[in-house]
Amino acid sequence: DGGITQSPKYLFRKEGQNVTLSCEQNLNHDAMYWYRQDPGQGLRLIYYSQIVNDFQKGDIAEGYSVSREKKESFPLTVTSAQKNPTAFYLCASSTETGPKNIQYFGAGTRLSVL
Amino acid sequence: DAKTTQPTSMDCAEGRAANLPCNHSTISGNEYVYWYRQIHSQGPQYIIHGLKNNETNEMASLIITEDRKSSTLILPHATLRDTAVYYCIVSRGYNNNDMRFGAGTRLTVKP
Repeated sequence: DGGITQSPKYLFRKEGQNVTLSCEQNLNHDAMYWYRQDPGQGLRLIYYSQIVNDFQKGDIAEGYSVSREKKESFPLTVTSAQKNPTAFYLCASSTETGPKNIQYFGAGTRLSVL
Repeated sequence: DAKTTQPTSMDCAEGRAANLPCNHSTISGNEYVYWYRQIHSQGPQYIIHGLKNNETNEMASLIITEDRKSSTLILPHATLRDTAVYYCIVSRGYNNNDMRFGAGTRLTVKP
């Protein structure tokens, strides 16, 4: 089945710890995205990548880092500099060309601070 | 980028049409209207998009006013499984990296 896989589904972070959220897609999409969603709120863009080995900051990149070494993978690291990391994190991908640039989302990772 | 305004919540009776409005009065000529929905604790799901013409697919219809300042998403026969938050987004069709998901409309379909 084609799609986007995020893991783990639930993640707990201790104070001062870096944690990495995984996002893998087998849709052969060039572009990938990370969003953060707080309770009752919409999605906010953290980082996006249009092509391998390239990525750009979104609206709320501080305290986060990403890499894009492979087309299929776009992991997000929540660093200790992110003081309020508790949220629902969503990864998406798209074809990044033309008007039908539809984003496909994973099931999300829910991160909590211990 | 154009911003959108949606009602916070709406109710709909099961089997009836659900009409979800969206205002995007600052939309520019090359910006598309997209609709997504998010069922509780899941990732958003694409529904439909359009530029200036009305669009229909197996999930819904999208009606865009002639001046493009507002649109309506229509779910023709709502079911309980359509209960979700519906997001109206205006975004450039090319280089679509700046999708802005606001708070959306929480649609509750009632039996």
